Amino acid sequence: GAVVSQHPSWVICKSGTSVKIECRSLDFQATTMFWYRQFPKQSLMLMATSNEGSKATYEQGVEKDKFLINHASLTLSTLTVTSAHPEDSSFYICSARGGGYGNIQYFGAGTRLSVL
Amino acid sequence: DAKTTQPPSMDCAEGRAANLPCNHSTISGNEYVYWYRQIHSQGPQYIIHGLKNNETNEMASLIITEDRKSSTLILPHATLRDTAVYYCIVNTGGSQGNLIFGKGTKLSVKP
Repeated sequence: GAVVSQHPSWVICKSGTSVKIECRSLDFQATTMFWYRQFPKQSLMLMATSNEGSKATYEQGVEKDKFLINHASLTLSTLTVTSAHPEDSSFYICSARGGGYGNIQYFGAGTRLSVL
Repeated sequence: DAKTTQPPSMDCAEGRAANLPCNHSTISGNEYVYWYRQIHSQGPQYIIHGLKNNETNEMASLIITEDRKSSTLILPHATLRDTAVYYCIVNTGGSQGNLIFGKGTKLSVKP
């Protein structure tokens, strides 16, 4: 299957700082990318969907000014958590779809964010 | 998207077949059944998907009932590494579709 690379895998930051997470599709062009968040012992929650070159569509309750998403190319999307606070600590997972893999969404390994 | 119902947990003996059920009684004609699994602290892994015919790949088999209201994921020879949360998701798979995850089934494979 397709490979989606996510970096970093783990980040610790101080409250008030911003953190950027990268998501790359390594062997296909991702026309659509997705960002999910997962709290301990809970399921994945979709945060936003982005198409290359377009603004992201955010799910209800997700602050677009706090979670900045950029999908500037067909292989790269970034999520920036601005002015992070301890309640933003979570497992963030990206997903990509496109290329010759049809409508299958492939997922990155996730980024664990800890805000102190 | 149609909602799915899965048992919260299941056990399976190592080397035996694991049969994971999923109910999707409100599935629409253009919705696929997708199965993913998530091993602890990792991103979800795609397993298999199907529309109405049974499907098989190197990881698993997917059996969809004729009325498409339920399906079963079969891992033919479960190993300890198959211990994970398994998610059954129905989705059109179209350009506007995205995967909405429920609570899934926690499969524990025991020696």
